[in-house]
Amino acid sequence: LAKTTQPISMDSYEGQEVNITCSHNNIATNDYITWYQQFPSQGPRFIIQGYKTKVTNEVASLFIPADRKSSTLSLPRVSLSDTAVYYCLVGLNTDKLIFGTGTRLQVFP
Amino acid sequence: GAGVSQSPSNKVTEKGKDVELRCDPISGHTALYWYRQSLGQGLEFLIYFQGNSAPDKSGLPSDRFSAERTGGSVSTLTIQRTQQEDSAVYLCASSLDPGFDINEQFFGPGTRLTVL
Repeated sequence: LAKTTQPISMDSYEGQEVNITCSHNNIATNDYITWYQQFPSQGPRFIIQGYKTKVTNEVASLFIPADRKSSTLSLPRVSLSDTAVYYCLVGLNTDKLIFGTGTRLQVFP
Repeated sequence: GAGVSQSPSNKVTEKGKDVELRCDPISGHTALYWYRQSLGQGLEFLIYFQGNSAPDKSGLPSDRFSAERTGGSVSTLTIQRTQQEDSAVYLCASSLDPGFDINEQFFGPGTRLTVL
């Protein structure tokens, strides 16, 4: 399973765009890239998943360069409620999820 | 709609006692996963069920831990002779079918286990 590296923490202000980059240098050909969000005292929640190029849904975008050795989760116009821990995961869709320590995003008013 | 539910939400037990944690997955979800999360840490995988069978038990930390799933639905995680290091939040997740293109796992609220 590919190891991921992401910043421990990030700060932002309401209304700004937040980009969280994850490194996964040894990603395998069949691996997908998935992001989860976790609020205190709750289980993680799926945000977005992609394999290559760009994926966009109603809450986020995921940018994956051609070499797939990194990926960037983009949160447009964050609000206070986006304060959470964000996890980047890499692996097969049939795999268990391997969580690192994630990126703690703090949004200020 | 009903999500993944877990019971109890909190469990306090004494060292050496056995505990049983329950997970009710989303109806129709064939895959079920157990994780645990220690304070301030990421999630640690414990075991995965596909239907009633567990093809991956690689994460169970010791032989004091066991899990079963019946009827392709409810799962129980049992910890025998609990130790203080077992204190953590135990999370259960289910997914529709890991063979789909997007394997979104839906997590329950967790059971907070405290071993005194």
